[in-house]
Amino acid sequence: AQTVTQSQPEMSVQEAETVTLSCTYDTSESDYYLFWYKQPPSRQMILVIRQEAYKQQNATENRFSVNFQKAAKSFSLKISDSQLGDAAMYFCAYRPVAGNQFYFGTGTSLTVIP
Amino acid sequence: EAEVAQSPRYKITEKSQAVAFWCDPISGHATLYWYRQILGQGPELLVQFQDESVVDDSQLPKDRFSAERLKGVDSTLKIQPAELGDSAMYLCASSMPGTGSDEQYFGPGTRLTVT
Repeated sequence: AQTVTQSQPEMSVQEAETVTLSCTYDTSESDYYLFWYKQPPSRQMILVIRQEAYKQQNATENRFSVNFQKAAKSFSLKISDSQLGDAAMYFCAYRPVAGNQFYFGTGTSLTVIP
Repeated sequence: EAEVAQSPRYKITEKSQAVAFWCDPISGHATLYWYRQILGQGPELLVQFQDESVVDDSQLPKDRFSAERLKGVDSTLKIQPAELGDSAMYLCASSMPGTGSDEQYFGPGTRLTVT
């Protein structure tokens, strides 16, 4: 069974600093996708970044980057130059290539301190 | 930019009453998902549609929950009778199969409170 674990229920970061959110997952599949979603308070969930497991290069999207360690089944999100608008719940998600179901972690609540 | 629409945004109902939620996915998105998100937790899949067909409803409490997507476009999720433990955010998402990672696009959700 696929499971996604986010071991940090809450994190905080000073504005303009860097923060890393952790995610591990369990799967027997060799090919899959990994995602980080952001859910701001009272707003809808949006995709932050995605990673294809067959790609060794870590995905980056502006201030957001991932550290994908396939052997360790680890997929952390780094937010650089944190902004007040980054405050939200962040969910790590896994999706096997064969199949359409997404598996979500329990989330990390990120606070950005001015 | 196209968005997933959901209504109502908020619903308060009494225990044992019936409640229904509506979702309109992004045009052309064949796959539609209903999730339940309990406060402080991640979304849990209730039901997944491919066009008008149910692909996965293994986590749907079928004694009280039902979902339909009759014409393969918009969808309705119903709870009858509602129980206190059903209080949660109900999220709808859609995706277009065959577009690589099949990114899901989420609606704003319906927050249900059962009293």
